Amino acid sequence: ETGVTQTPRHLVMGMTNKKSLKCEQHLGHNAMYWYKQSAKKPLELMFVYSLEERVENNSVPSRFSPECPNSSHLFLHLHTLQPEDSALYLCASSQAMGSGHYEQYFGPGTRLTVT
Amino acid sequence: GQNIDQPTEMTATEGAIVQINCTYQTSGFNGLFWYQQHAGEAPTFLSYNVLDGLEEKGRFSSFLSRSKGYSYLLLKELQMKDSASYLCAVRDSNYQLIWGAGTKLIIKP
Repeated sequence: ETGVTQTPRHLVMGMTNKKSLKCEQHLGHNAMYWYKQSAKKPLELMFVYSLEERVENNSVPSRFSPECPNSSHLFLHLHTLQPEDSALYLCASSQAMGSGHYEQYFGPGTRLTVT
Repeated sequence: GQNIDQPTEMTATEGAIVQINCTYQTSGFNGLFWYQQHAGEAPTFLSYNVLDGLEEKGRFSSFLSRSKGYSYLLLKELQMKDSASYLCAVRDSNYQLIWGAGTKLIIKP
């Protein structure tokens, strides 16, 4: 495996279900990100882990819960979601934030549909 | 508030040149990125500007004017495979990326 991988690629879940999205990066980076991408809207940064420290967007509902067990793996745990949470969830990684030119590398995303 | 503006959609002809503009208002500036995203795929990095001027990379060039809060992506010799969305993102004073909604570029034969 190379780059950033995400599983599953597609997920349909009911509002009472609990599921988890998984992301793995094979680039030796030390920062990982979760984004939400809705049609015709800017990418919304949800969570950042940098050097194993979590930086959280305060506007993210508690029904989304991230977990970063090490610098290569990132999870997004989902529970009691709402239909408006249906979107493409993208994982990205980069070298840690700082003054350098550190572009983010994205995974292919998980297309989530909440019914 | 922080804001990135780009046109929603543009159409161009195969073989031609197109310029996609991006204007920004952010809390500080630590670089501007352009990404390409084909439908159903991940965004991929195209270019990075932190100083004023033009950065050229093959058929693609990116320009930055920090005083005007303005950038553009220039695509030359357009090919059908260039049909995609182009995302502009600015890194603010906290080194967080602020994203535009993207410009969908349609290439016609």
